[in-house]
Amino acid sequence: EAGVAQSPRYKIIEKRQSVAFWCNPISGHATLYWYQQILGQGPKLLIQFQNNGVVDDSQLPKDRFSAERLKGVDSTLKIQPAKLEDSAVYLCASSFGQNTGELFFGEGSRLTVL
Amino acid sequence: KQEVTQIPAALSVPEGENLVLNCSFTDSAIYNLQWFRQDPGKGLTSLLLIQSSQREQTSGRLNASLDKSSGRSTLYIAASQPGDSATYLCAVDDSNSGYALNFGKGTSLLVTP
Repeated sequence: EAGVAQSPRYKIIEKRQSVAFWCNPISGHATLYWYQQILGQGPKLLIQFQNNGVVDDSQLPKDRFSAERLKGVDSTLKIQPAKLEDSAVYLCASSFGQNTGELFFGEGSRLTVL
Repeated sequence: KQEVTQIPAALSVPEGENLVLNCSFTDSAIYNLQWFRQDPGKGLTSLLLIQSSQREQTSGRLNASLDKSSGRSTLYIAASQPGDSATYLCAVDDSNSGYALNFGKGTSLLVTP
């Protein structure tokens, strides 16, 4: 069974530039999550989708971050304009449903903002 | 908001030792608790999932227990090996955020030969 796919694995940009990350969840998984992990910290939830609807985006900095999951399958997370403090690993995860089982994570996309 | 604390933050043990990692959480109204392993520069690998109706789960040399009423979980690793060296993360779902998992900061484990 294919796992959660993410791209790109690494990205280096200047501050105030934009960047987009892509995620394809495990087939059949209705729930998709984006987490931000800063070095030395545990992952922090940015946004949760159930199919193509947003369940929770209370910790998403909406002045610069946006995310979509238009067809209820793959998802894109965008940052515009990036700040130095956005340097982190962006992890995508999926599960069969809300509170119904294991979360499976992708390898992550490491962002460095200079 | 669900807060998750992991103790210790770092641990170094000689190969062969049994060890216990601790996790505590503030809201006992949970559906799931999940333990993950993270190797440097990698994503998270699921180790064990404990549902709220369960008291423990076992996989090989790993055993995780859950005490919902006291808001605690432990991960027991038997006969540790150098390959067990990694960061171990505890995560608990949060009813305030659609039952998404809230993570602790992790325990960094080093097993020396």
